[in-house]
Amino acid sequence: EIVLTQSPATLSLSPGERATLSCRASQSVSTYLAWYQQKPGQAPRLLIYDASNRATGIPARFSGSGSGTDFTLTISSLEPEDFAVYYCQQRSRWPLTFGGGTKVEIK
Amino acid sequence: EVQLLESGGGLVQPGGSLRLSCAASGFTFRSYAMNWVRQAPGNGLEWVSTIRGSGDSPQYADSVKGRFTISRDSSKDTLYLQMNSLRAEDTAVYYCAKALGDTTMALDYWGQGTLVTVSS
Repeated sequence: EIVLTQSPATLSLSPGERATLSCRASQSVSTYLAWYQQKPGQAPRLLIYDASNRATGIPARFSGSGSGTDFTLTISSLEPEDFAVYYCQQRSRWPLTFGGGTKVEIK
Repeated sequence: EVQLLESGGGLVQPGGSLRLSCAASGFTFRSYAMNWVRQAPGNGLEWVSTIRGSGDSPQYADSVKGRFTISRDSSKDTLYLQMNSLRAEDTAVYYCAKALGDTTMALDYWGQGTLVTVSS
């Protein structure tokens, strides 16, 4: 099973700041990595798929990069609605696996 | 507009069974793989199972293999999860989620989830 490790566990930032979230895979997943946002009491929302492709309707301030084992989700300037938990997920091999999440909280 | 509506959750005793349903609309159901993903209270996301658009090649997490069965009915645009031999650790919100494609397992639409509680 491919293990995804997200860091940091919590990121404390202010609106307008840049957020950089990391996801590291235990083995190469090529570019088969997605990012999701989840707010309390809501279902997850797909942000990025295949490492760098924004999903439909996702603002340009969200961007993804990386390949192999190291991936980054960047939020260029945090909006109030961006404070949430973010998960990465790989689809390179079965079983599909998710990272443990990074909580982006207001500083 | 894509919509996924789960139902069938509830309280069940350990060892019991439950069948979850997910009614889909707004897309060509038979053309996309569908998934179940769960989230235990206060925890992260855990993939449970995937079924291709044709109904072939179901995949399961080891934690549910042999106990859960995924299926779909394209005449009703509905996804199912039959859960048997339920355990306390199966307690979670269960989400159905549509894949981006039949083989592209990024999950672009999610239902609001249905809560399954396994307790005596």
